[in-house]
Amino acid sequence: DVVMTQSPLSLPVTLGQPASISCRSSQGLVHSDGNTYLNWFHQRPGQSPRRLIYKVSNRDSGVPDRFSGSGSGSDFTLKISRVEAEDVGLYYCMQDTHWPFTFGPGTIVDIK
Amino acid sequence: EVQLVESGGDLVQPGGSLRLSCAASGFSFSTFWMCWFRQAPGKGLEWVATIKEDGSQKNYVDSVKGRFTISRDNAKNSLFLQMNSLRVEDTAVYYCAREIREHPLSDWGQGTQVTVSS
Repeated sequence: DVVMTQSPLSLPVTLGQPASISCRSSQGLVHSDGNTYLNWFHQRPGQSPRRLIYKVSNRDSGVPDRFSGSGSGSDFTLKISRVEAEDVGLYYCMQDTHWPFTFGPGTIVDIK
Repeated sequence: EVQLVESGGDLVQPGGSLRLSCAASGFSFSTFWMCWFRQAPGKGLEWVATIKEDGSQKNYVDSVKGRFTISRDNAKNSLFLQMNSLRVEDTAVYYCAREIREHPLSDWGQGTQVTVSS
C-alpha cells in the first residue's frame, strides 16, 4: 500500500499570513494514464470532509483561489496564501492513483 | 443540488451485521463511480470501498475484504454497504461519496455512525 505522510502534523497560523503543508508518498503517484491523482481535503470539526484540490493542482468548484496545490512524483504541497478564520481544521492529502486509496494522517491548522 | 444521505448506522455487537444505505439525488447517479469512506473516533479518514457505474468492478481496503460488500441500485439512485462479521475496530462514521478524480466533482454525505460494541 502507498503510505502518505504529512508535515507538519500541527500548524498554528496567523490570520492573513501564508501557510504550507507538505505531503509525501512512499511511491510515485503517476498513473498509467499519465495523470497524478493527489488530492487535498479540508475537514472542519463536526463536518464532512470537503475536497479542495484534485490532480495535484486543480481547485474544486467553489474553492477560494487562496488555496493552491503543487508538486510531482511523490512530493506535494498545499499552500494557503492568506489564512482566514474559516480555514481552521484538519487537512488531509489522499492518493487515488493506486489501490487501495490512502490518506495522510492529517494536519491540524489552528489560529495562534 | 447534489445530495447524498446515508442511513442505517446503529449500535451492533461484535460479529453482527449492518446494511448502510445512501440515497443520491441531484445528479445522474448511474453514470458515476461511488465510494464509501470512514472515520474512526478521533482518527483520520480511511477509504473503504468503490464501485463502478454499472457495478461490474468493486474494490475494497484489505481490512474489510470478505466481510463488507458494496453494491448499488441505479434504478433507485442508491448505494449500499453490507457489513458482516463486524469488529470493534469497524466503529466509525461512514460517509458515502461521489469522488471523481479526473474532474471537479466531489460530494460527501453527512455520515452515519456505526458503533460495534458488546
